[in-house]
Amino acid sequence: DGGITQSPKYLFRKEGQNVTLSCEQNLNHDAMYWYRQDPGQGLRLIYYSQIVNDFQKGDIAEGYSVSREKKESFPLTVTSAQKNPTAFYLCASTLAGTSTDTQYFGPGTRLTVL
Amino acid sequence: KQEVTQIPAALSVPEGENLVLNCSFTDSAIYNLQWFRQDPGKGLTSLLLIQSSQREQTSGRLNASLDKSSGRSTLYIAASQPGDSATYLCAVRRIRSSNTGKLIFGQGTTLQVKP
Repeated sequence: DGGITQSPKYLFRKEGQNVTLSCEQNLNHDAMYWYRQDPGQGLRLIYYSQIVNDFQKGDIAEGYSVSREKKESFPLTVTSAQKNPTAFYLCASTLAGTSTDTQYFGPGTRLTVL
Repeated sequence: KQEVTQIPAALSVPEGENLVLNCSFTDSAIYNLQWFRQDPGKGLTSLLLIQSSQREQTSGRLNASLDKSSGRSTLYIAASQPGDSATYLCAVRRIRSSNTGKLIFGQGTTLQVKP
């Protein structure tokens, strides 16, 4: 089955810890995205990548880092510099360069700071 | 700056009712607009995508319209069912972001359809 997987489903972080959220896709999509969702709010873009070894900051990149070493993988690290990391994190991908492309989303990771 | 607003934030209707969800955006220079569904604790599923040159798109009981000049889109759900209960989000892709795919989301409308 083609799709996007995220792991873990739930993640707990202690103060001062870095944690990494996994995102993998087997759709052969070029572009991948990380969003953050807070209760009652829409999604806000953290980082995105259009090709391997290249990525750009979104609207709320501070305290986060990413890498894109493989086309199918786009992990997100939440660093200790992110002061309020408790949120629902969603990864998405799309086939770049088409006018009707839609973003396909993973099931999400819920991160809680203890 | 593009802002996307969805009103109301929550809506409760009896089963079988036809309903309309609203989405407004401040900048009409959009590439396309999408409607997504999100079930509690889950990811998003794309429902309908409307290109800027189109006026509406239909899929089953769903119909989405787009009026760029007034900065509005509506999602019409016919004969609502309890299974339609979810949060519905709209998102716009700006012309200036046409080659990056970046989307700007509204905050969503949470729909509850009562049996």
